[in-house]
Amino acid sequence: EVQLVESGGDLVQPGGSLRLSCAASGFRVSGNYMSWVRQAPGKGLEWVSLLYSDETTSYAPSVKGRFTISRDNSENTLYLQLNSLRVEDTAVYYCARMLGGDYFDSWGQGTLVTVSS
Amino acid sequence: EIVLTQSPATLSLSPGERATLSCRASQSIGRYLAWYQQKPGQAPRLLIYDASNRATGIPARFSGSGSGTDFTLTVSSLEPEDFALYYCQQRTNWPTFGQGTRLEIK
Repeated sequence: EVQLVESGGDLVQPGGSLRLSCAASGFRVSGNYMSWVRQAPGKGLEWVSLLYSDETTSYAPSVKGRFTISRDNSENTLYLQLNSLRVEDTAVYYCARMLGGDYFDSWGQGTLVTVSS
Repeated sequence: EIVLTQSPATLSLSPGERATLSCRASQSIGRYLAWYQQKPGQAPRLLIYDASNRATGIPARFSGSGSGTDFTLTVSSLEPEDFALYYCQQRTNWPTFGQGTRLEIK
């Protein structure tokens, strides 16, 4: 069974940093395209970042230069490093496996990041 | 950036009725469109991909159609568990989502 479990969300001050983790089971993170998608409170879904199986990365313009996506193959875990955090980064962050690199076919339960002073 | 516009914002229907949700893209995206369902406190769930293919385990009452810029999600006969938020998503350049349609019980 495919399972994704996020962790690492917290309350952080503007300008601060945080690292989110997404532990996968039932499949290999290294063999799939993986993404982070976020959802601000009461708002819609926003794609954040994509890690291709060849480790090429892609970022939404709103986070490029501040966030870094990576993985640990031995731990079968996906990460998102969040730097220079802004109030508008407050959201539930979901990790998701991508079907063919196009669509999100499996999702974690999400982890809440709150940026506030 | 490709913008997806969903309509209506809210759809009020009764169980057993047919639901038709729309998604319009700001430019042609071929058939590269997906639909998701999200219930309160839960992650989204993939329903339809490539405009008309049902994802694994999705009931046959859910169907998708369209191409180019205009797409439709149809629920043929609403079950109580179908009342939720629905999002469309495209993947050209980078993934973007529509703003959502809330399907509520009338």
